[in-house]
Amino acid sequence: GQQVMQIPQYQHVQEGEDFTTYCNSSTTLSNIQWYKQRPGGHPVFLIQLVKSGEVKKQKRLTFQFGEAKKNSSLHITATQTTDVGTYFCANSGGYQKVTFGTGTKLQVIP
Amino acid sequence: NAGVTQTPKFQVLKTGQSMTLQCAQDMNHEYMSWYRQDPGMGLRLIHYSVGAGITDQGEVPNGYNVSRSTTEDFPLRLLSAAPSQTSVYFCASSPGTGGIYEQYFGPGTRLTVT
Repeated sequence: GQQVMQIPQYQHVQEGEDFTTYCNSSTTLSNIQWYKQRPGGHPVFLIQLVKSGEVKKQKRLTFQFGEAKKNSSLHITATQTTDVGTYFCANSGGYQKVTFGTGTKLQVIP
Repeated sequence: NAGVTQTPKFQVLKTGQSMTLQCAQDMNHEYMSWYRQDPGMGLRLIHYSVGAGITDQGEVPNGYNVSRSTTEDFPLRLLSAAPSQTSVYFCASSPGTGGIYEQYFGPGTRLTVT
């Protein structure tokens, strides 16, 4: 997979506030995946996007894939304490060689 | 289904020792991978396999060996442990069909090398 940069590295939000993490690449990505890792746990797959401009929703989570397929975002509306964890984007360049971003660690203050 | 299992959960090694981290999956997935996770570095791919008998290197393969004699098992061998290999190691598997690259992760092995 190609190199993907993720920002921000950390984010603290008050419960109820929105949260967004961004994933950027200098080259076109064939696909983007998003994972969530709870503290002390293992990464869990959330979603995969493959089409230019694709938008998918999972309850309060909205995932977008840019028109040029070089960036992606994950937006959480009205955060809850259960949203705490690290969110990773990842790209597969084929043959399951998946490259992960560095992750965004989300803290939600009750 | 147990999914992806890893043993041991914790391990302490002295510099120079060797050991094997075990990984097994019962989902009949063709693709398996090993990652290491260090603070601030995300997950870095060590080795991966697209099927029994086929393995390839990832981003950080030095100091590690793998083999894939069966679909189910994908052990990771540390040849001569170094403090720089202190990390959390995750094994993952993926069905690899239909263009879906969803990875299922094991619970991880926390390794400390002194």
